[in-house]
Amino acid sequence: DVVLTQSPLSLPVTLGQPASISCRSSQSLVHSNGNTYLNWFQQRPGQSPRRLIYTVSNRDSGVPDRFSGSGSGTDFTLKISRVEAEDVGVYYCMQSTHWPPYTFGQGTKLEIK
Amino acid sequence: EVQLVESGGDLVQPGGSLRLSCVASGFTFSNYWMHWFRQAPGKGLVWVSHINSDGSTINYADSVKGRFTISRDNAKSTLYLQMNSLRAEDTAVYYCVSDFITPDYWGQGTLVTVSS
Repeated sequence: DVVLTQSPLSLPVTLGQPASISCRSSQSLVHSNGNTYLNWFQQRPGQSPRRLIYTVSNRDSGVPDRFSGSGSGTDFTLKISRVEAEDVGVYYCMQSTHWPPYTFGQGTKLEIK
Repeated sequence: EVQLVESGGDLVQPGGSLRLSCVASGFTFSNYWMHWFRQAPGKGLVWVSHINSDGSTINYADSVKGRFTISRDNAKSTLYLQMNSLRAEDTAVYYCVSDFITPDYWGQGTLVTVSS
């Protein structure tokens, strides 16, 4: 199974400041079709997960443009350019290249300093 | 607007059974793969099972293989998860998730508690 390792696991951030979360994979996430199925989800307190980014860098509809995804192969990053109060929650990377199973990182808890 | 509404979660004794349902709306259900994921209290997200659009391809996580059965009724836009031989470690919120390119929209979840 593919192991995804996120860092940091806890991320205190001052409002208006940038934030960055790393996700490293135990193997390349490039699919045989050339796509890389690395996705990012946000889970606000008490809510269901919401997909933010799919295939590394594609932002879902309605996701603010302060969220961006980047990376390739085994190393990926989610960046928030200016953290807002509504961004508090847990962020997960998930791979859907090598399944089954689909696998997630451990989650990164973002809080306001 | 995509909506996924799960139901069927309950308190059940170890060794018992439950059937979860998920009614989908806002998209052409019969065209898409569907998943079940779960999240134990205070823990991370875990994939459980998926099924392709016509039900001909099904996969399970090793932890539920042989105990859980995923199915779908495209005429009713409904996804199911039959859970047998339940264990304490199956206690979790179970989410129904659609798949647009990758797993995408999540339902609100239904809580399954396995305890005596």
